[in-house]
Amino acid sequence: DAKTTQPPSMDCAEGRAANLPCNHSTISGNEYVYWYRQIHSQGPQYIIHGLKNNETNEMASLIITEDRKSSTLILPHATLRDTAVYYCIVMILAGNQFYFGTGTSLTVIP
Amino acid sequence: GAVVSQHPSRVICKSGTSVKIECRSLDFQATTMFWYRQFPKQSLMLMATSNEGSKATYEQGVEKDKFLINHASLTLSTLTVTSAHPEDSSFYICSAREQGYQPQHFGDGTRLSIL
Repeated sequence: DAKTTQPPSMDCAEGRAANLPCNHSTISGNEYVYWYRQIHSQGPQYIIHGLKNNETNEMASLIITEDRKSSTLILPHATLRDTAVYYCIVMILAGNQFYFGTGTSLTVIP
Repeated sequence: GAVVSQHPSRVICKSGTSVKIECRSLDFQATTMFWYRQFPKQSLMLMATSNEGSKATYEQGVEKDKFLINHASLTLSTLTVTSAHPEDSSFYICSAREQGYQPQHFGDGTRLSIL
């Protein structure tokens, strides 16, 4: 039931920006995009969410295309502790549910 | 930030035992709580959604008599795995959401091992 597609894996050099893409071509007008990450054997950690405007917080930036069919999560200066599986999720408000896709396994390389 | 506490973090028990897992929102009132399970090297699979004071809504293929969910207050939901068997061994994770488009916040999960 996941409405998003992500590349299965990516590498990023430590200190460089990590850009994680997500396609959500069937997104509806009132559906938000959420990003989470999961470090091995822990619960997912909330990163950021947005509707149509770009968003930034202390962890990351979220860039949403004008047609809202895709988005990119940017970690500006990746560290080894950013190695995790990153999930992009579109929530259907009516049912409240999050359906997780397969995510992107990001490996930050020293 | 919003904190969700989940206990216990690990359970090992014999086949046939019932196991209860608690999920608490510590600093916000959760109108909706969710339960997921995750097998090794797989993504999270939504099991059920519960609203405070209402019966849980189970996803297709999840046995409601096997996985009992109670959401008696705005800060507490419990999942009871009844008569657990080895195939129920998994990583169970809860999450809680305040309202509207607020993000879900997740507990640290419970690793359940049935011998």
